[in-house]
Amino acid sequence: QKEVEQDPGPLSVPEGAIVSLNCTYSNSAFQYFMWYRQYSRKGPELLMYTYSSGNKEDGRFTAQVDKSSKYISLFIRDSQPSDSATYLCAMSVISNFGNEKLTFGTGTRLTIIP
Amino acid sequence: NAGVTQTPKFRVLKTGQSMTLLCAQDMNHEYMYWYRQDPGMGLRLIHYSVGEGTTAKGEVPDGYNVSRLKKQNFLLGLESAAPSQTSVYFCASSPRRGPQHFGDGTRLSIL
Repeated sequence: QKEVEQDPGPLSVPEGAIVSLNCTYSNSAFQYFMWYRQYSRKGPELLMYTYSSGNKEDGRFTAQVDKSSKYISLFIRDSQPSDSATYLCAMSVISNFGNEKLTFGTGTRLTIIP
Repeated sequence: NAGVTQTPKFRVLKTGQSMTLLCAQDMNHEYMYWYRQDPGMGLRLIHYSVGEGTTAKGEVPDGYNVSRLKKQNFLLGLESAAPSQTSVYFCASSPRRGPQHFGDGTRLSIL
């Protein structure tokens, strides 16, 4: 069993719809939770970074963390064609060296249809 | 602000050849990382560095070596390339406590 599970999709929704992306995890030691967006032939770009359970909002994006259920979500409101990308969830523990060691989901490919 | 820059962007090698991938960051970050990304596998950590002259193994280190002689640079070496090392390689950097920032990758094919 993978430590982080993410539905690979693909997911297609019409422009303006609300998008929900989800990941589950099994390692209760994970402390930080992130969502990255990756456009084709580009590197992952950080969207959201959170530590605690609950919601964090940034513009049209809301990240939700439920540590008791080991479940995180990313909601995109008023989706735009420019949101079409692969979305990666990531979670981290602090290593013995003090840095964050990330474990990534496999990514969900999202297409917003104009 | 360039962020994290990877060179080269593309490369084709023959089995048994060697090469070095270069990563440079201009954000004065302490930590640097090398990942590979394969379909259905996600991003997997190869090696990382927590400071100049210090490196550590990640999840999939076999067949790779790294060096960090300068704080801003992190090199990934393949001594004898194998077809299983065909992948997209990403470098990332981060401050002591904070998220990782990625480059745009190197696409490597081993024939």
